[in-house]
Amino acid sequence: QITLKESGPTLVKPTQTLTLTCSFSGFSLSDNFMGVAWIRQPPGKALEWLALIYWNDDNKYSPSLKGRLTITKDTSRNQVVLTMTDVDPMDTATYYCAHTTGWLHRTWGQGTLVTVSS
Amino acid sequence: EIVLTQSPGTLSLSPGERATLSCRASQTVGNDYLAWYQQKPGQAPRLLIYDASTRATGIPDRFSGSGSGTDFTLSISRLEPEDFAVYYCHQYAYSPLAFGGGTKVEIK
Repeated sequence: QITLKESGPTLVKPTQTLTLTCSFSGFSLSDNFMGVAWIRQPPGKALEWLALIYWNDDNKYSPSLKGRLTITKDTSRNQVVLTMTDVDPMDTATYYCAHTTGWLHRTWGQGTLVTVSS
Repeated sequence: EIVLTQSPGTLSLSPGERATLSCRASQTVGNDYLAWYQQKPGQAPRLLIYDASTRATGIPDRFSGSGSGTDFTLSISRLEPEDFAVYYCHQYAYSPLAFGGGTKVEIK
């Protein structure tokens, strides 16, 4: 059974750096074609795709956020970390990580709500 | 960059009725790599359909996907009480990946 869980701060101040961790089980990022993606959802709004990292360290980023995002993996700890710099209140959202094969997001974590406010 | 437009924004139907949701892409979605997700309040999205028409594991057969190229449809043959939710389409053919704006299926 594949499970994922997001963790990180619930409140961040504007201009700070946000670091989120996705801890997962049931698959390994050392296996071919495995990946983990990050997607967010502002309150009451639609889903927004952010970033994706693969077993071979290839990664993809949303062009609108590319300069602010970094995605990394720790295969031995079964974790993926997303870092977002210079956060703004517009970054307030529930952040999800998802198990990805090919580019299809098959199983999602429960999400973590991050509020950006001074 | 592909933009996905879903319609209608809200669909008001009664249990037992048929629901038809549309997703239109601004460019051809290669290999019909189009998925549909269901999201209920306070929950994460759940994968329903991938490759435009393949049901994910455990998804009831009242859910079906169709379409190709730029026009895709999610149909729910007979709405059950648990089907009232928001539905998102998602293209995973090209980077950047993208989601549609969602269709809310509400009880009439």
